[in-house]
Amino acid sequence: DAGVTQTPRHEVAEKGQTIILKCEPVSGHNDLFWYRQTKIQGLELLSYFRSKSLMEDGGAFKDRFKAEMLNSSFSTLKIQPTEPKDSAVYLCASSLWPGPYEQYFGPGTRLTVL
Amino acid sequence: GDSVTQTEGQVALSEEDFLTIHCNYSASGYPALFWYVQYPGEGPQFLFRASRDKEKGSSRGFEATYNKETTSFHLQKASVQESDSAVYYCALGEYPGTGSNRLTFGKGTKFSLIP
Repeated sequence: DAGVTQTPRHEVAEKGQTIILKCEPVSGHNDLFWYRQTKIQGLELLSYFRSKSLMEDGGAFKDRFKAEMLNSSFSTLKIQPTEPKDSAVYLCASSLWPGPYEQYFGPGTRLTVL
Repeated sequence: GDSVTQTEGQVALSEEDFLTIHCNYSASGYPALFWYVQYPGEGPQFLFRASRDKEKGSSRGFEATYNKETTSFHLQKASVQESDSAVYYCALGEYPGTGSNRLTFGKGTKFSLIP
């Protein structure tokens, strides 16, 4: 079975640019999560979808971060405009509902903002 | 809100030593508890979970027992190897009936083998 796919694996952006990260969840999973991972803050939840409905939108990330479920098997995370402090690893995860079930994570996208 | 506190920072042991990474939680309900492992350059991988008091979860030689009285879910392994070097995360899942599959993660504990 295919796991969670994330593209690109690495992204370098100039300050002020718009970047779009992509995620394909495990087939059949109906919950999808976006996280940001840094050494200092650890794993922070950015957005949580069930099917195509937004369940939770991380309060601190609302202004420049926008996640969307374009269909049940594809999601994007747009950061606009990027800032150097956005440099981090962005992880996508999916799980089955009803839970509580484990989340399966993708390999992540490492974003560097110059 | 719900929270997870685990052994802070790093743990270093010699090969074949006994590993314990502490995890304590705070929640108003009856959460499911999880352990994840993350290797460099990869996303976290699910190790195992437990959903009720005194239930033991285990995988790949690791184990933890849900203890509702002490609100703990400590990760243990009897004999560590080089391949166990990774970051370990304890996580708390929303209790049944909340309609959410959200996980609250601890800060992570890095384990490495002393050469």
